[in-house]
Order: sequence, then C-alpha cells, then structure tokens
Amino acid sequence: QVQLQESGPGLVIPSQTLSLTCTVSGGSISSADYYWGWIRQPPGKGLEWIGDISFSGNTYYNPSLNSRVAVSMDMSKNQFSLSLKSVTAADTAVYYCARSPFTHYYHRSGRTSRRTNYLDYWGQGTLVAVSS
Amino acid sequence: DIQMTQSPSSLSASVGDRVTITCRASQSIATSLNWYQQKPGQAPKFLVHDASTLQTGVPSRFSGSGSGTDFTLTITSLQPDDSATYYCQQSYSTPLTFGGGTKVEI
Repeated sequence: QVQLQESGPGLVIPSQTLSLTCTVSGGSISSADYYWGWIRQPPGKGLEWIGDISFSGNTYYNPSLNSRVAVSMDMSKNQFSLSLKSVTAADTAVYYCARSPFTHYYHRSGRTSRRTNYLDYWGQGTLVAVSS
Repeated sequence: DIQMTQSPSSLSASVGDRVTITCRASQSIATSLNWYQQKPGQAPKFLVHDASTLQTGVPSRFSGSGSGTDFTLTITSLQPDDSATYYCQQSYSTPLTFGGGTKVEI
C-alpha cells in the first residue's frame, strides 16, 4: 500500500521560502497512473488545493498562489517537493501531500489518460508556522 | 473558481441515526464530486468519488448521491467512529475546491 510522508522545517521566517518534500513508499512517482499534489489547511479552517505534478513533469497550480508556488519531483529519490515563496503569516497551515489517479481510456489508436482530480492517499501532514 | 457550499456546518446526532450532509456547487459539475472524512489531528480520508462510488473499504452505511449542482452524503445508522468533519470536493476543473466542512458530533 502506498504511503506518503511530508518533511521540512516547521518554522519559516516571513518573506522567506517554504520548502517541503513528500517521500513516497510502496509505489513509484514515475508511474503513468498517478500524479502528485499538495493541499494545505490553516489551523481550524478548511482545505485549500495548492497544485500538483504528473510523471511527465506537467504542473497545475491554484491561481491564488500561482506566482509564488512551484512543485517539482526527484524520481531518483521517489520524492516530490513544494516551494512557496515570499510567505506571510497567512501561509501558516498544515501541509499535506497526496496522490491522484489518472483514468485511462483504450482505443484502437492508443490510450488517452484523464485526470480524476480526486485524492485517494494522503500523507499525515506537517504543520508549518510562518513567524519571526 | 467553482465555489462549494456545505450545510449544515455542524450537527449533533445519536448512534443509529440517519445523517445527511448537503453540498452545493456554484455551477454544474456533472457527477464530479468527492467526499472525505477528517478526524482531529489526522489527514482527510477518501470516502466517495464521482458522487456515488464508494472507495474500497468504506463501510456501506456511507452513500453519496446527486448530480449537477446538488449532492448529498448520507450515513445510515451512525456509529461512534463516524464522529468527524466531512468535506466535499469538486473534481470538475482546476483549481480543485473544497466545501467548508460539516462537523458531525455524536
């Protein structure tokens, strides 16, 4: 069974860059069957999707964070990462990494893959506080 | 962005009760609606996808329904372990968006 584990600093100074890594075990991030994303949850509040990356390196980001966020992957380590620049106190949250499946459609000329956009496995989350 | 609105924001029920949570989308999303359960201090757990398909291992007392803009998650015969906050999420388009959550207390 796939497992995801977030890691990174628990405290970031305002205006600096938040960097987190998600290590995946029990599955390969290079698989064409899945893509990998980040979601955050401010203390006591709801969930906000940040963005994700596919095995081919295609990325999708929330426009509300688009200019500050980047998601990357290191297949050699089976890890993917989140970078969020110019953080403020509003970025204080529990950050989760998660997996999303592709759905594949097979036809005579080959295969078409479609994002399912649901999150079937999640890491346990890591709290990141932005404070001086 | 597609806005997701859940109601009620919280409810209290007894063991054995039937509970219904509603989720409304700001535009039609066909059946691209998913449900998650989150207990305090834990990550969300994936329950239902495509409005009505239970994820493997989810108890059959959970069921989802709806299409277009209005969706429901129903828990028949509420159990103590069902005490949690439930979130809906639209998968129709990015950015993916979640409802504000419904806290179920037993």
